[in-house]
Amino acid sequence: GAGVSQSPSNKVTEKGKDVELRCDPISGHTALYWYRQSLGQGLEFLIYFQGNSAPDKSGLPSDRFSAERTGGSVSTLTIQRTQQEDSAVYLCASSLRGGQGTQYFGPGTRLLVL
Amino acid sequence: GENVEQHPSTLSVQEGDSAVIKCTYSDSASNYFPWYKQELGKGPQLIIDIRSNVGEKKDQRIAVTLNKTAKHFSLHITETQPEDSAVYFCAASNPDKLIFGTGTRLQVFP
Repeated sequence: GAGVSQSPSNKVTEKGKDVELRCDPISGHTALYWYRQSLGQGLEFLIYFQGNSAPDKSGLPSDRFSAERTGGSVSTLTIQRTQQEDSAVYLCASSLRGGQGTQYFGPGTRLLVL
Repeated sequence: GENVEQHPSTLSVQEGDSAVIKCTYSDSASNYFPWYKQELGKGPQLIIDIRSNVGEKKDQRIAVTLNKTAKHFSLHITETQPEDSAVYFCAASNPDKLIFGTGTRLQVFP
């Protein structure tokens, strides 16, 4: 079946603009995660959605970052007033039940803030 | 919170040789340890995982060992092939989200 998809694949924006990144998880997966991967670095946890529970936002680096998940499926990560240090690959993953279930990753969105 | 350290950051081996990547973690409550492979321009893909109730797990040329007392776990790839070239990440659960190591770039030369 279809895997996790993300759009756009690449995004170039100017400093100060807002951007929205989209994630379509695997159908039926109740858990959804966002990570950030800076050049040559590991994956930094941002936010975790599990079913109808309140999301775990403990990894969001500032209040310019927010995310929502509508209808328990598609998720949007929004970065307001982008800064150059926001340039990174933003990865989304989904898992059937969350917890310690296997996380399946999308291809990522490469964000460049000029 | 959990902290995961991974070594080495780069590893070059000759085709057919073995490769070993090591990780340590800080939170003794962590009990799930996956390994991911990331190829250029793609998202990470799970290659093997281990839970704290076992000490070793093997899948063909790939094996993972876990030492809970010392809080470290390792990935072993035998008979390496050029297509094994990629970046490998270890991770530890904390408890529902994964904390990743900084990655190891493995290059396998023919």
